[in-house]
Amino acid sequence: GDSVTQMEGPVTLSEEAFLTINCTYTATGYPSLFWYVQYPGEGLQLLLKATKADDKGSNKGFEATYRKETTSFHLEKGSVQVSDSAVYFCAVGRGSYIPTFGRGTSLIVHP
Amino acid sequence: EAGVAQSPRYKIIEKRQSVAFWCNPISGHATLYWYQQILGQGPKLLIQFQNNGVVDDSQLPKDRFSAERLKGVDSTLKIQPAKLEDSAVYLCASSLPTASENTFGSGTRLTVV
Repeated sequence: GDSVTQMEGPVTLSEEAFLTINCTYTATGYPSLFWYVQYPGEGLQLLLKATKADDKGSNKGFEATYRKETTSFHLEKGSVQVSDSAVYFCAVGRGSYIPTFGRGTSLIVHP
Repeated sequence: EAGVAQSPRYKIIEKRQSVAFWCNPISGHATLYWYQQILGQGPKLLIQFQNNGVVDDSQLPKDRFSAERLKGVDSTLKIQPAKLEDSAVYLCASSLPTASENTFGSGTRLTVV
């Protein structure tokens, strides 16, 4: 079945630093790829997605590119804010089937 | 639009007791999911409904977990009897049938002592 591996956390950064959270996946065919964010005490929210190879998903300054050749979907942001502190989940899905989630990476941003 | 509603937000029970969680999906979303999220892990799908029919319950521990969606709208998830390892956040999500993304509720945090 599909699976996702993402980097262990926590990732601790100072405000305005550059962020990269690595994600690689294993899946047959052509899945869709997602990043979800979970703020403290809240449910998961879709952050961005990409549905085919070389697509770039972007939202709120975050972006990730679907790299089929390296089976990766790394999350990046050029300048993080304290309000970006949350847990980030990489996920893989296909069609109307629900995503398979990674274990999550905690991001802590200090002022 | 209103989001996915779940209740209760928190529940503490003793092992071997029973517990039920409730979910009201976004209006018009025919597909409903229950996930279990153990601390430090990503959500794991327990069951997926399409209207009031079960699409996938392959990861639902059927000896103790049950779920229903009788009228194709609200859903309940029950655990009977609970074990310590059932301590987790139970997330409900819903989507349109053709959508590849879900909208999640805030979850119910269950602690079994």
